[in-house]
Amino acid sequence: GAVVSQHPSWVICKSGTSVKIECRSLDFQATTMFWYRQFPKQSLMLMATSNEGSKATYEQGVEKDKFLINHASLTLSTLTVTSAHPEDSSFYICSARETGQDYNSPLHFGNGTRLTVT
Amino acid sequence: QKEVEQDPGPLSVPEGAIVSLNCTYSNSAFQYFMWYRQYSRKGPELLMYTYSSGNKEDGRFTAQVDKSSKYISLFIRDSQPSDSATYLCAMRGTGGFKTIFGAGTRLFVKA
Repeated sequence: GAVVSQHPSWVICKSGTSVKIECRSLDFQATTMFWYRQFPKQSLMLMATSNEGSKATYEQGVEKDKFLINHASLTLSTLTVTSAHPEDSSFYICSARETGQDYNSPLHFGNGTRLTVT
Repeated sequence: QKEVEQDPGPLSVPEGAIVSLNCTYSNSAFQYFMWYRQYSRKGPELLMYTYSSGNKEDGRFTAQVDKSSKYISLFIRDSQPSDSATYLCAMRGTGGFKTIFGAGTRLFVKA
């Protein structure tokens, strides 16, 4: 149970283009999903919290106009990196919390998306 | 000072060894403690989840939490080459607070 699918697993794009990453909960509904960014040998850094049907909550220092998050259904959240630049190259990971689970339940993660901007 | 400190390693051990992985933290409000395993280019996989102080065992894995010392540990018995991965500790307080992750310790188990 609690399978989170992330797509694509890797993507290469040119500077200035936009890239969309999908995060799906396969066997459960997820009112809340989280987007993280991970640099090599560094910890997971929370970028934003995505809530179904409402605007995402962004962490301090994360540009909401650059990292567009949409959570249109209980099983899908998307992260769009707009006007990507080489410094946006990173490993992006989503996680989901099953609807009805309390805040203290552990997070289940997707397999991540490796973004390389050339 | 980071909220969660974790030695990045790498830690290299022979197959069959007992591995000890540790994290320290500064926020006394943390109540929930987790260990995740992350293989290269994959997302983190939940290994252990504990509440407050004490021990929890699951197969070859034992998690310990010492809240008085703000110190948590993960022990791996009879380590296998397949245990080679990065191990992330994570913790949070009660309520809607975000989960804070350590930087991860890279473990190599040599056959």
